[in-house]
Amino acid sequence: DGGITQSPKYLFRKEGQNVTLSCEQNLNHDAMYWYRQDPGQGLRLIYYSQIVNDFQKGDIAEGYSVSREKKESFPLTVTSAQKNPTAFYLCASKRSGRGQETQYFGPGTRLLVL
Amino acid sequence: AQSVAQPEDQVNVAEGNPLTVKCTYSVSGNPYLFWYVQYPNRGLQFLLKYITGDNLVKGSYGFEAEFNKSQTSFHLKKPSALVSDSALYFCAVRVPLSGNTPLVFGKGTRLSVIA
Repeated sequence: DGGITQSPKYLFRKEGQNVTLSCEQNLNHDAMYWYRQDPGQGLRLIYYSQIVNDFQKGDIAEGYSVSREKKESFPLTVTSAQKNPTAFYLCASKRSGRGQETQYFGPGTRLLVL
Repeated sequence: AQSVAQPEDQVNVAEGNPLTVKCTYSVSGNPYLFWYVQYPNRGLQFLLKYITGDNLVKGSYGFEAEFNKSQTSFHLKKPSALVSDSALYFCAVRVPLSGNTPLVFGKGTRLSVIA
């Protein structure tokens, strides 16, 4: 996990509420990623960002939003439009350049709906 | 489109026996292949990767994997399983079309090592 922090570890969302998951890295990595993990479905990509002030939608972006104003930070907002948000959310990052192929993951945030 | 298949949801093996966790991939182009391990309520830990070169790659905790281009496979192996190897294992692939394209993951295989 080291160098990538996610907070909080557990997050509870009420109906109609937007919530924001934090992801911070001190590894000087250029690219950052958000995945959602559901039992039996593996990891599915929500959004990713290759550089500051730029991001792309992944396979399941609907109901989510992101920003990348700083290199170290890539927060994910789960909006009220996401009807089934209960899942384990994983943030990852990666350095750019040849030989820098590995994505490293944070410890995750578990989101539960009240 | 890239995809990864892990055909077994669950693999059970006795402690001390060899283990294999299977992975096949589908990509256009030369793949970069990865294995990660996940313990309960934790993030994913990197185990090993194949980028180029020797088809047999060695990684953390005594694991290894063999890249087989003709069979489009990248099976994870360990000669002697430990109870502590029990976890969820993910295979992932990326085609380096541009530098930071995301990994595509399989659905995971739960490994259970029985004492």
